[in-house]
Amino acid sequence: QKEVEQDPGPLSVPEGAIVSLNCTYSNSAFQYFMWYRQYSRKGPELLMYTYSSGNKEDGRFTAQVDKSSKYISLFIRDSQPSDSATYLCAMKGAGSYQLTFGKGTKLSVIP
Amino acid sequence: DAGVIQSPRHEVTEMGQEVTLRCKPISGHDYLFWYRQTMMRGLELLIYFNNNVPIDDSGMPEDRFSAKMPNASFSTLKIQPSEPRDSAVYFCASSYGPAGGNTIYFGEGSWLTVV
Repeated sequence: QKEVEQDPGPLSVPEGAIVSLNCTYSNSAFQYFMWYRQYSRKGPELLMYTYSSGNKEDGRFTAQVDKSSKYISLFIRDSQPSDSATYLCAMKGAGSYQLTFGKGTKLSVIP
Repeated sequence: DAGVIQSPRHEVTEMGQEVTLRCKPISGHDYLFWYRQTMMRGLELLIYFNNNVPIDDSGMPEDRFSAKMPNASFSTLKIQPSEPRDSAVYFCASSYGPAGGNTIYFGEGSWLTVV
């Protein structure tokens, strides 16, 4: 079993839809959870960061972590064509310097 | 700040040739990371440095790969000899403090094709 599993998609939604992106993981030592957005032919950029369990909201984006289920989610409200990108989840343990990434979900928001 | 700067952006080389990828981290950052991204394996950490010192190179695939950081503003990743399976996007990233809650900033990547 891979440490981090993420559905690669592609996921295609109409503009204005609510998007749900998810990752599951197997390493219970993971404490820090992040979502990166990667536009085509660009480097990943940090979108959301959460420590341990709970929710975090930033504008149209909400990140959720459920450590008991080893499941993290990113919700995008009122999705826009500019949200079209690949979204990668990433996580690490306390005291670790190594981020483990999911393979990414490719999202297309259709105008 | 200009962000993490990588060169070359694109490289096409023949099998057996030496490839050198270059990175200039963000000024003031004390951690530098080299990642490789492929469709099959996603983003993988190859090696990281702290204050110019290599800390963990366990992700380097084999002896053909080497990385150096001679000073705080420059790092290289070298592949010698290159093989077609090395074709990938290589990202350099930097951060201030370790890769935890601190933001890692990625460069735009070096797209390597080995034919």
